[in-house]
Amino acid sequence: NAGVTQTPKFRILKIGQSMTLQCTQDMNHNYMYWYRQDPGMGLKLIYYSVGAGITDKGEVPNGYNVSRSTTEDFPLRLELAAPSQTSVYFCASSYSGRGTYEQYFGPGTRLTVT
Amino acid sequence: QKEVEQNSGPLSVPEGAIASLNCTYSDRGSQSFFWYRQYSGKSPELIMFIYSNGDKEDGRFTAQLNKASQYVSLLIRDSQPSDSATYLCAVYGSARQLTFGSGTQLTVLP
Repeated sequence: NAGVTQTPKFRILKIGQSMTLQCTQDMNHNYMYWYRQDPGMGLKLIYYSVGAGITDKGEVPNGYNVSRSTTEDFPLRLELAAPSQTSVYFCASSYSGRGTYEQYFGPGTRLTVT
Repeated sequence: QKEVEQNSGPLSVPEGAIASLNCTYSDRGSQSFFWYRQYSGKSPELIMFIYSNGDKEDGRFTAQLNKASQYVSLLIRDSQPSDSATYLCAVYGSARQLTFGSGTQLTVLP
C-alpha cells in the first residue's frame, strides 16, 4: 500500500494563479482531510470529507474548494492564489471520523505564492 | 485562549534523560487525545493516543491524561537523539474534529 500520496511536492505560484493539489489514498478510508501548516504552527483543518460526494468546511476554508467524486481522491483547489496561502499542505485519511481512529498523513505539498 | 496549548520550546534534554511534553486544552467535551511526532520537513506520524484518565504506556512513551485539569502530557524515557523532532498534541473535541497545538520542538543532546 502506498498509503496517502500527494502531488506535487513543491510548487511556486504567482498571485492570482490557480492550481489543484492532488491527494489519493489506497486504504479504502471513508474520511479524508486537508490541513495547512504555517511555519512553527500546528495544523489547521481546511476541508474534510466523510465519503464520496460529501464535503464540509473546516476551520480555514476561505480561498479553497474541494470535491470528492471517488473514495480514493480528494483534490484541493486554490483559486486566485494569495501570499497568505503560502504554506505546507497535508492531506490525511482515516477509516472513521470517530476520535479513536488514527489519521494517516501524506508527505505534504510545499506551496509558495509570490 | 487557544483551544490547544503547548509550550513551543525548544526543549533540550541530554541523551538518556526523561523528556516531558505538556498540553492543555479548553474544550471540556474533548474525547480523545493524540500525540504526533513530526520530523523537520516531514509529515506528522502518530505516536500515542489516549482517551481514559490515567497513564498509557507504549515502550519508552507514556501518555498521561487528566480530564478534570484538562491536561495531557507525553513522557519519553531514555531519550535518544532520534527522538529530536516537533511533538504535536491533537485533541478530538465536541466539534468532532482534530484540533492541533502549535507543537513543542524537542532536541536530545548526545
